[in-house]
Amino acid sequence: QKEVEQNSGPLSVPEGAIASLNCTYSDRGSQSFFWYRQYSGKSPELIMSIYSNGDKEDGRFTAQLNKASQYVSLLIRDSQPSDSATYLCAVNDDDYKLSFGAGTTVTVRA
Amino acid sequence: GAVVSQHPSWVICKSGTSVKIECRSLDFQATTMFWYRQFPKQSLMLMATSNEGSKATYEQGVEKDKFLINHASLTLSTLTVTSAHPEDSSFYICRAGTQNTEAFFGQGTRLTVV
Repeated sequence: QKEVEQNSGPLSVPEGAIASLNCTYSDRGSQSFFWYRQYSGKSPELIMSIYSNGDKEDGRFTAQLNKASQYVSLLIRDSQPSDSATYLCAVNDDDYKLSFGAGTTVTVRA
Repeated sequence: GAVVSQHPSWVICKSGTSVKIECRSLDFQATTMFWYRQFPKQSLMLMATSNEGSKATYEQGVEKDKFLINHASLTLSTLTVTSAHPEDSSFYICRAGTQNTEAFFGQGTRLTVV
């Protein structure tokens, strides 16, 4: 599997603040990029996908992709306690396999 | 999104026995199934990929004779952990999809071997 690296965390932010998550990947040919949220004991749920350079916003979430730097990030604005989870960065290629990062655990303090 | 149902959600078995995990796509035909394993505090590791009607392709280091994968229909894939041992205790997750579309995760199965 391709290498996907995430800042290890844990990341603790106060409620209402911005949580910033980073991810780098090794395969320059990667085409699709995903952020999943995983609560303890549950399977991952997709929160953002991004395919082209730039920013993509969806509600309180913004994904940023820079293919030249092989870097993808996720910003969570106005963080809520319900955002406390592990966030997994995943990278896809032509055969629809996903390579996952180790995840960053986020804790939002009320 | 599409619905992928995985059963059981948790199972406890004795060392040396076999356990079967089912993954069903409820509202679409899944031509491809991915099986992942996740140990505590670690990321998901792909174990194998199966296409309907074909033998599964296993990732390096995954024993194909221990982790039997069957994908005989477009809506059902099974993973059988044979002669399970405590080190096989993990969270197993399937992901089902079709060509050219996003794939969806099942709910996961927590396997504990005692």
